[in-house]
This record gives sequence, structure tokens and C-alpha cells, in this order.
Amino acid sequence: DAGVIQSPRHEVTEMGQEVTLRCKPISGHNSLFWYRQTMMRGLELLIYFNNNVPIDDSGMPEDRFSAKMPNASFSTLKIQPSEPRDSAVYFCASTALTGASTQYFGPGTRLLVL
Amino acid sequence: EDQVTQSPEALRLQEGESSSLNCSYTVSGLRGLFWYRQDPGKGPEFLFTLYSAGEEKEKERLKATLTKKESFLHITAPKPEDSATYLCAVQATGGTSYGKLTFGQGTILTVHP
Repeated sequence: DAGVIQSPRHEVTEMGQEVTLRCKPISGHNSLFWYRQTMMRGLELLIYFNNNVPIDDSGMPEDRFSAKMPNASFSTLKIQPSEPRDSAVYFCASTALTGASTQYFGPGTRLLVL
Repeated sequence: EDQVTQSPEALRLQEGESSSLNCSYTVSGLRGLFWYRQDPGKGPEFLFTLYSAGEEKEKERLKATLTKKESFLHITAPKPEDSATYLCAVQATGGTSYGKLTFGQGTILTVHP
């Protein structure tokens, strides 16, 4: 079975540019999570969706960040404009909400903003 | 607020030298405690879920245990391929959590041959 798919795997951009990260969750999963991981702050939850509806975006650092989930098989995380401090690895995870729900992670997108 | 603290931050072992990683947690009500393994350049990989105090789960050289305040990941006779970052996370009860996890900072394990 295909796991969580993320693209691109690596992104290098210049400060001020728009960045769009993409995620395809595991088929049949109804919750999707976006995380950011840095050495200093570890794994931080940015936003999560249930049945395509954003539930909690309190982890989104500022208005430059936005996320959408137009359907059950696709989500985007957009940064506009990007800044060097946004450099991190961004992970997408999905789960099926049954009991204690195991989240399955994608391979991540490594973002470098110059 | 749910909190997870992992110790030590880093652990170096010789091959075959058994040890344990600790995960202390504070949560209003525990639905599940999760252990993940993360290799460099990859996403966290699920290892175990523990649901209630006294529960134990094993996988190869790893055994996870759970009490009301902490969990341990015991590594027996580790091999160099066990080197990775081990992450602990909790999921709280409550109707609006939607599967949200609170992660610890992780323990970086290095096993030398």
C-alpha cells in the first residue's frame, strides 16, 4: 500500500518567494496533520484537518502560512512570502480516527529559504 | 496542557549493551502513548501504541512499557542498525482531539560496533 506522499522532497528558494508543499494522505484516512521539524524546536504541529475541515490552526506561526484540503486525497501548505527562518523539514501525517489513532508520516519536504 | 519529556537527550551504547529510554508525560486522560523511530532524512516510523498502565509490547530488540506517569523503551543487546532518534507522543481523550499527538523532543540513540 502506498504511504503518505509528499512533494517536493527538497525545495530551495529565495526569501520573499511563495512556497507550496503538497501532501497525499493514505487512502481512507480522514484526518491529516502538518508538522514542522527543526533541531531547536523539535516536531511542532502546525494545523490539522478532519474530513477536509481545518480543526485547529493554532500552531501556524503567522499569517504567512496557510493550508488547504480541497478533498480527501490532497492538501497543501503554502508560505507566502517565505523567510529564512522558515527553513525546516515539513511533514504531513494522516490517520483513520478509530480509537487511539496511529498517525503515519510522509517522508517530509526539506525547505531551505536563502 | 499535555506535556511529554524524554530523557536522555542522547545515548551512546556499545553493541550488545542494553539500556532504556524514558518518556514522562502529563495528560488529562490518556487515550494512547506512541513510540516512533526516526532515521536521518526520513519521517517518523510507527513502532508501538500503549493504552493502559501495565501494558507491554515487544518488537525484535525493543520492548515498551507503560505506567501512569511514564513509559520506557528498553533496548536489549542493541545493534548499530538500531541507531536512530526515538520519539514518544501522547494522545489525550476527549471528543475534539481528532487524533492529535503531543510529541517529546526525542532521544538520539547511537550504537557503536
